[in-house]
Amino acid sequence: DGGITQSPKYLFRKEGQNVTLSCEQNLNHDAMYWYRQDPGQGLRLIYYSQIVNDFQKGDIAEGYSVSREKKESFPLTVTSAQKNPTAFYLCASSTLQGGYTEAFFGQGTRLTVV
Amino acid sequence: AQSVTQLDSQVPVFEEAPVELRCNYSSSVSVYLFWYVQYPNQGLQLLLKYLSGSTLVKGINGFEAEFNKSQTSFHLRKPSVHISDTAEYFCAVRAPQGAQKLVFGQGTRLTINP
Repeated sequence: DGGITQSPKYLFRKEGQNVTLSCEQNLNHDAMYWYRQDPGQGLRLIYYSQIVNDFQKGDIAEGYSVSREKKESFPLTVTSAQKNPTAFYLCASSTLQGGYTEAFFGQGTRLTVV
Repeated sequence: AQSVTQLDSQVPVFEEAPVELRCNYSSSVSVYLFWYVQYPNQGLQLLLKYLSGSTLVKGINGFEAEFNKSQTSFHLRKPSVHISDTAEYFCAVRAPQGAQKLVFGQGTRLTINP
């Protein structure tokens, strides 16, 4: 079945550590996105990428980094510079063929700083 | 730039009662509008979308929404809710041109009581 796979589902990080969240899609979608979800704040865009080897900052990119070396993969690294990383992270993708009019979401990764 | 306001953070209703979840948006250009549903600890699923044409849009699970350009609103409705509709609902907006990114509202938690 086609879809978006995020791993791990739960992740614990010690303060000062970098962690990488995985996002893989087999939908052959061009664009991929990372959102952060906090209670009562909806979803906020961290980074997005419309083609391989290119990506743009979203509204809250500070303390995060991404790469897009393959069309199907868009990993997100939460660096030690992110002061409040505890949140639910959602990866999404969409396709130019659909005019990017529908975003498909993964099941999310819940990151907790311990 | 676009912004979205969901006027109610929580909406409790009884089973089989009608429900309306309110969404207002702000944009200097025409927009695409979306409603997504999120069940606990899961990703988002598209309920319905308005791109153009008829202002009344029907979606999955018996939901519908009406686009009102003069009031800049896109309220979500269901005539009779079920326990299984308990979830968080997000309204989102996107400009048809330019960067293909969604802007989300803060979310409305719909709780169905028996």
